[in-house]
Amino acid sequence: EVQLVESGGGLVKPGGSLRLSCEASGFTLSSYSMNWVRQAPGKGLEWVSSFSSTWSYTYYADSVRGRFTISRDNARNSLYLQMNSLRAEDTAVYFCARGRIAVAGTASDSFDYWGLGTLVTVSS
Amino acid sequence: DIQMTQSPSTLSASVGDRVTITCRASQSISRWLAWYQQKPGKAPKFLIYEASSLESGVPSTFSGSGSGTEFTLTISSLQPDDFATYYCQQYNSFPLTFGGGTKVEIK
Repeated sequence: EVQLVESGGGLVKPGGSLRLSCEASGFTLSSYSMNWVRQAPGKGLEWVSSFSSTWSYTYYADSVRGRFTISRDNARNSLYLQMNSLRAEDTAVYFCARGRIAVAGTASDSFDYWGLGTLVTVSS
Repeated sequence: DIQMTQSPSTLSASVGDRVTITCRASQSISRWLAWYQQKPGKAPKFLIYEASSLESGVPSTFSGSGSGTEFTLTISSLQPDDFATYYCQQYNSFPLTFGGGTKVEIK
């Protein structure tokens, strides 16, 4: 059974840092593109970042580029999001989501499995 | 960036109604469009990919159509479990973008 479990969210002051983790089970993480999507309270879905399958190509939304870094640990079958210089507008539930297609090099994709999300609150 | 515009933003309907949600892309995305259902406090659920392909396990009352810039999600007979918010997403190119959502409410 495919499962994605996020962790690492919490309350942080503006300018602070957090590292989110997404532990995958039931499939090999490196065979799929992996993604972070966020949802601010009462708002819609916003794509944040993607990590391509097989090769380590990364992609970022303009709103987080230069502040957030996506990474993957194949041995731990886990995805990460290092978030620095956090702002109030980064407050959201952050979801880890798997790309649908298991093809080498896939980056842009639809998302077939999602974790339950982890809440990040940026406030003084 | 490709902008995705959904309409309506809210839809009131009754059980058994046929419901149609529209998603428009600011430029052609071929058929690289997905649909998701989300209920309050839950993760989105994957419904449709490549504009019209139904994900395994999704009821056949859901269907998608369209290509280029105009897409629709249709629920042929609304069921009590279908009251939720629906999002479209383009994956033609980065940045990946979602529509603003359509909330389907009980009439």
